[in-house]
Amino acid sequence: SAVISQKPSRDICQRGTSLTIQCQVDSQVTMMFWYRQQPGQSLTLIATANQGSEATYESGFVIDKFPISRPNLTFSTLTVSNMSPEDSSIYLCSVVVTGGNYEQYFGPGTRLTVT
Amino acid sequence: GQNIDQPTEMTATEGAIVQINCTYQTSGFNGLFWYQQHAGEAPTFLSYNVLDGLEEKGRFSSFLSRSKGYSYLLLKELQMKDSASYLCAVNLLYSGAGSYQLTFGKGTKLSVIP
Repeated sequence: SAVISQKPSRDICQRGTSLTIQCQVDSQVTMMFWYRQQPGQSLTLIATANQGSEATYESGFVIDKFPISRPNLTFSTLTVSNMSPEDSSIYLCSVVVTGGNYEQYFGPGTRLTVT
Repeated sequence: GQNIDQPTEMTATEGAIVQINCTYQTSGFNGLFWYQQHAGEAPTFLSYNVLDGLEEKGRFSSFLSRSKGYSYLLLKELQMKDSASYLCAVNLLYSGAGSYQLTFGKGTKLSVIP
């Protein structure tokens, strides 16, 4: 298993500013993902952030808006840049542990409100 | 595009059995996951099926039919704490950054009533 922590747990930000979300894992993992979950909706993958390679973004998400760092096997950051109210959402970090089967674990999420 | 369908809401009685269905039409398939998500919390892993058949884990079982693009999650002896959203997710064959990418359904909100 993996235990994931995220900082901050929640924040209220003004339009046009940026917020960096940190994700810390208690073990070394190769595969790490960032998801967004808007109110009442399911999870949407923003990007895959595997260590040792550039982040890969899904359709509708771009690096200028959501830059990601992955400096080592236990840590990553996601920045939400030039925020607008449409960015209000829960942002979740997630990792895959591949001991036998794939098991994916999620962090507690960062609840972002943009005013 | 990818299409994963689940019922939006279900209600069941404490102590009963409930089956949550999931159908999928995706460009690739490398396994199907079920997650439980309580309101305001992160999803937690329940099960992973990659081969056809039934996987049983305590009160929860998950079934997969790859030929039919169909899965279900079976919850037995329902408890009030089982009230949550249940998310079906497909691992797509992904030749990009890695061999793993989950696409989620919209989730089924289960309400367990006394």
